[in-house]
Amino acid sequence: EVQLLESGGGLVQPGGSLRLSCAASGFSFSSYAMSWVRQAPGKGLEWVSSISDSGGSTPYTDSVKGRFTISRDNSKSALYLQMNSLRTEDTAIYYCATRPAFDIWGQGTMVTVSS
Amino acid sequence: QAGLTQPPSVSKGLRQTATLTCTGNSNNVGNEGAAWLQQHQGHPPRLLSYRNNNRPSGISERFSASRSGNTASLTITGLQPEDEADYYCSARDSSLNVVVFGGGTKLTVL
Repeated sequence: EVQLLESGGGLVQPGGSLRLSCAASGFSFSSYAMSWVRQAPGKGLEWVSSISDSGGSTPYTDSVKGRFTISRDNSKSALYLQMNSLRTEDTAIYYCATRPAFDIWGQGTMVTVSS
Repeated sequence: QAGLTQPPSVSKGLRQTATLTCTGNSNNVGNEGAAWLQQHQGHPPRLLSYRNNNRPSGISERFSASRSGNTASLTITGLQPEDEADYYCSARDSSLNVVVFGGGTKLTVL
């Protein structure tokens, strides 16, 4: 079964850090570029970052540049998002998804940044 | 990183046809086309169409996408109650090397 499973979300204070993981199964993970997309409560979808299949290209949305780092381990079929200096406005469900077509999505993991 | 423009809401009757629009520019929608995603409350998004009208397997032929210039459209025929959802468009901006989403359209089936 084709599947993406996110983990690592939780409650963190402003200024804190979290590392999200996304485990892929059922498809050739190393052949796909991947993305993180987030959705704040009651809001629309927002692209956060993408990573090419080899990991050599990693664009970010402006609001997370310098704070978030996307990475991948193709040997483990895993995608990561290291989030530092978290802000209240980073509160959202974080989804991982395949690129370029966004054809496979995980169920999401909730990140809450609050004091 | 300006997003794509979608109408916030559209309402249509059962078995009618709805057309949702998504406007960008020549660097995003006008260049590589748009993807369309459907999201029901409490669920992750689901891909309906990629690069204008490539439907994944399992997506009904009632969903069809097109593009004219910098505007992409999603047409849903024979509206059913289960079509009531939020619909998002997305495209890659080739000049900025980023991905942009529309704000989403809430489709209500009356």
